[in-house]
Amino acid sequence: DIQMIQSPSSLSASVGDRVTITCRATKIISRYINWYQQKPGKAPQLLIYAGSTLQSGVPSRFSGSGYGTFFTLTIRSLQPEDLATYSCQQSHTAPHTFGQGTKLEIK
Amino acid sequence: VQLVQSGADVKKPGESLRISCQASGYTFSNYYIAWVRQKPGQGLEWMGFIYPGDSDTTYSPSFQGQVTISADKAINTVYLHWSSLGASDTAIYYCARQSRPYGDYEVFDFWGQGTLITVSS
Repeated sequence: DIQMIQSPSSLSASVGDRVTITCRATKIISRYINWYQQKPGKAPQLLIYAGSTLQSGVPSRFSGSGYGTFFTLTIRSLQPEDLATYSCQQSHTAPHTFGQGTKLEIK
Repeated sequence: VQLVQSGADVKKPGESLRISCQASGYTFSNYYIAWVRQKPGQGLEWMGFIYPGDSDTTYSPSFQGQVTISADKAINTVYLHWSSLGASDTAIYYCARQSRPYGDYEVFDFWGQGTLITVSS
């Protein structure tokens, strides 16, 4: 299986901050990476697919980048409603494994 | 599009269980449905998926032989079945629709609300 190593596992930031979460794949996956947001007590929601394409309705403060094995999710100006856990997922090879998640707290 | 899952359940170790995920709002046979496990306080785990059109099923090696995924096209429903539960199966289980928004990039674009399964003696 391809492992997705995500960091940090948790972080705390203030409203307005720029936040970056990284994901490293143990094999080359081109841009076959998705990012999901999971708010407390809710099901995950798709944020970004194909490495950098925003899902419809996702605010433009979210962005994704990377290619090959190293990827980032960036929130340009953190908002209170961004309190959530963020997870990467590779869709290059089944099983489509997830990273272990990053829990984002608002200071 | 909606995926509606069966309700929470409490079972004893060794018991069997089947949970369901009923889809609506799209052509059920044309999209894979996956199951994803989330243990308390932990990350998401891809368990496997099924193509309801022909019931072709793929499992993660971690879950192969531990669960069975099936589908009933007549009622637009996908199932996840255990023949013998263990305490380590305590988790929230999500179903999710897999689609291809662009090229061969695959995503989970719609999710069920989750089903909490508690296994305890």
